[in-house]
Amino acid sequence: KQEVTQIPAALSVPEGENLVLNCSFTDSAIYNLQWFRQDPGKGLTSLLLIQSSQREQTSGRLNASLDKSSGRSTLYIAASQPGDSATYLCAVNRNGNKLVFGAGTILRVKS
Amino acid sequence: DAEITQSPRHKITETGRQVTLACHQTWNHNNMFWYRQDLGHGLRLIHYSYGVHDTNKGEVSDGYSVSRSNTEDLPLTLESAASSQTSVYFCASSAGAQETQYFGPGTRLLVL
Repeated sequence: KQEVTQIPAALSVPEGENLVLNCSFTDSAIYNLQWFRQDPGKGLTSLLLIQSSQREQTSGRLNASLDKSSGRSTLYIAASQPGDSATYLCAVNRNGNKLVFGAGTILRVKS
Repeated sequence: DAEITQSPRHKITETGRQVTLACHQTWNHNNMFWYRQDLGHGLRLIHYSYGVHDTNKGEVSDGYSVSRSNTEDLPLTLESAASSQTSVYFCASSAGAQETQYFGPGTRLLVL
């Protein structure tokens, strides 16, 4: 059974810092991995999707990497801002786009 | 703009009642999904559909059912609501098996 773990569970950083969120999964047979952002009381917003054949994807200040063989992905946020404060979720696509989610990392960026 | 909507956004019901949560998407996506989100369990897949008249059980499908009569809608029905079904429910859709999933705003359900 696929299990997804996110470390750390919570993170508090000063504004402007670069930070890394980690995601690990137990079964490397995945189609892709998706990173989401969730604001309190809201739905999930897709940030980046990395296909299994890709090593990384970038969108603005966000960069996500994928090492399928070791079962790891990282989300790098450059020059963090208070507006980046949210819960970040990673999810792996086993097959047919049935996502398995990690528990998330709660990020707080202090101004 | 295309979107995915859910209704109601908040619902209070009593144990034993039948409840239906609506999900509507305007992207013309074939794939639609229902998840529940609970503290300590994260998001878990309830049911999913790959097209009209197709429905499949997910990880936590007991006590839930779905039907897909058109491309745009995938309503989720709780046959006889239980307190354990108090949760936040999210609907999602995607264009294909390896495409980005887009989520609705969620429905917060309280079963008393």
